[in-house]
Amino acid sequence: SQQGEEDPQALSIQEGENATMNCSYKTSINNLQWYRQNSGRGLVHLILIRSNEREKHSGRLRVTLDTSKKSSSLLITASRAADTASYFCATGGSSASKIIFGSGTRLSIRP
Amino acid sequence: GAVVSQHPSRVICKSGTSVKIECRSLDFQATTMFWYRQFPKQSLMLMATSNEGSKATYEQGVEKDKFLINHASLTLSTLTVTSAHPEDSSFYICSARQQGYTEAFFGQGTRLTVV
Repeated sequence: SQQGEEDPQALSIQEGENATMNCSYKTSINNLQWYRQNSGRGLVHLILIRSNEREKHSGRLRVTLDTSKKSSSLLITASRAADTASYFCATGGSSASKIIFGSGTRLSIRP
Repeated sequence: GAVVSQHPSRVICKSGTSVKIECRSLDFQATTMFWYRQFPKQSLMLMATSNEGSKATYEQGVEKDKFLINHASLTLSTLTVTSAHPEDSSFYICSARQQGYTEAFFGQGTRLTVV
């Protein structure tokens, strides 16, 4: 089962532009994580935001979390060709709960 | 950061045979491990959750007799795909979590091709 949906499903932008991806989820969460996956490869953990946080930064990444709307967004600024990948959000509850992934956004950066 | 090693990274097997995939936590004790399956251009679908020393909890629609999960130690979980068929060809990913922590760490995945 999947926790929620991400939009857009696919996003193509010019190198240097900013990319924004959104994630909506269904149940209460303890934290939300964003992952990147290059084609056919494993997952790379990008950032974790806890339910009591509203915004978090890591390098060119900015994540927001709105628990009232059950949504999160991932912003990648000044995109690079190497950012081309699929991006997934994953929600976690307590330390005893499952980690469920969203449907993912395929990001393509045009040179 | 914590490291999870998954092996093999790729495997090709004949239809009807069984394949075992290993997932090891290298520098922490993984009280909980998760197994996911991912079809091309799709998201990761949780198959089962295993806690060390107890039986795995399977998600709805996942056949426990076909996907055998063993989590006998705090650093190793295995997924065995029994009597594999071409439709089982997929990318399988494990993740491991330490007791009391909410974050999990992921292996690099295993691409299974059944011919």
